[in-house]
Amino acid sequence: DVKVTQSSRYLVKRTGEKVFLECVQDMDHENMFWYRQDPGLGLRLIYFSYDVKMKEKGDIPEGYSVSREKKERFSLILESASTNQTSMYLCASSTPDRVGQPQHFGDGTRLSIL
Amino acid sequence: DQQVKQNSPSLSVQEGRISILNCDYTNSMFDYFLWYKKYPAEGPTFLISISSIKDKNEDGRFTVFLNKSAKHLSLHIVPSQPGDSAVYFCASRGYNQGGKLIFGQGTELSVKP
Repeated sequence: DVKVTQSSRYLVKRTGEKVFLECVQDMDHENMFWYRQDPGLGLRLIYFSYDVKMKEKGDIPEGYSVSREKKERFSLILESASTNQTSMYLCASSTPDRVGQPQHFGDGTRLSIL
Repeated sequence: DQQVKQNSPSLSVQEGRISILNCDYTNSMFDYFLWYKKYPAEGPTFLISISSIKDKNEDGRFTVFLNKSAKHLSLHIVPSQPGDSAVYFCASRGYNQGGKLIFGQGTELSVKP
C-alpha cells in the first residue's frame, strides 16, 4: 500500500512566521502535489512536482513555495504566514501519468495562523 | 472559473437506498474522471474512475456514469450504508496535463440508519 506521510496533523503558527510543511511518500512516485482544502471550495492545487528539483505552479501559488531535493520528499513553504492561509493542507503522490493512475493522499495538516 | 462543479453541498439518504452524487464539468478536453471519498481528519481516498471513452464503470456497490454530451458524471452507491457517510469529491484530468487533477467542491453524504 502506498503511504504518504505528512509530518504534522495540527500546527499553530503566528502571522509573519516562515512555515514548513513536510510530506514523504514511500512508493518511489515521481509526481507529488500540494493542495489546500477549504469549505465550499474543494481541493485547490498549490504546487506540484514531476521530478527531483522540478516544480510547477498550480492554481493558487501566491504566498507559497516548494522544495523537492529528494524524490520521496516534497516540502511546502509559507514564506510569511498570513491568516488567510489558515486551512487544511493535503499532500499527494502518483506515478507518471498513465490512464487510471490515481493520486494517493496523506492525512492532511490542519494549519492555523494566528 | 470553476471547471468542475458539484452543485449539491450535501445529500441525506436512508440506509439501503440509492445515493446519487452529481458532478458537472466545462472542459471538453478532460479525458479521465475520478471520485474520491474523504472522512473527517483523513486524506481523500480513491474510489472509482472512468475514462472519457466509456460511459459506465462499475465496482461493487459503486457505479460511475459519464454523459459526455451533457458534460456530466454521477456516482451511484447501491445500497447505501452508514459507513458511506463522508465527503465525496469528483476530479477531472485534462488531456496531456500529466497527473494534474481539478477537483469539485465536494458533496457531504449522510446515510441514516
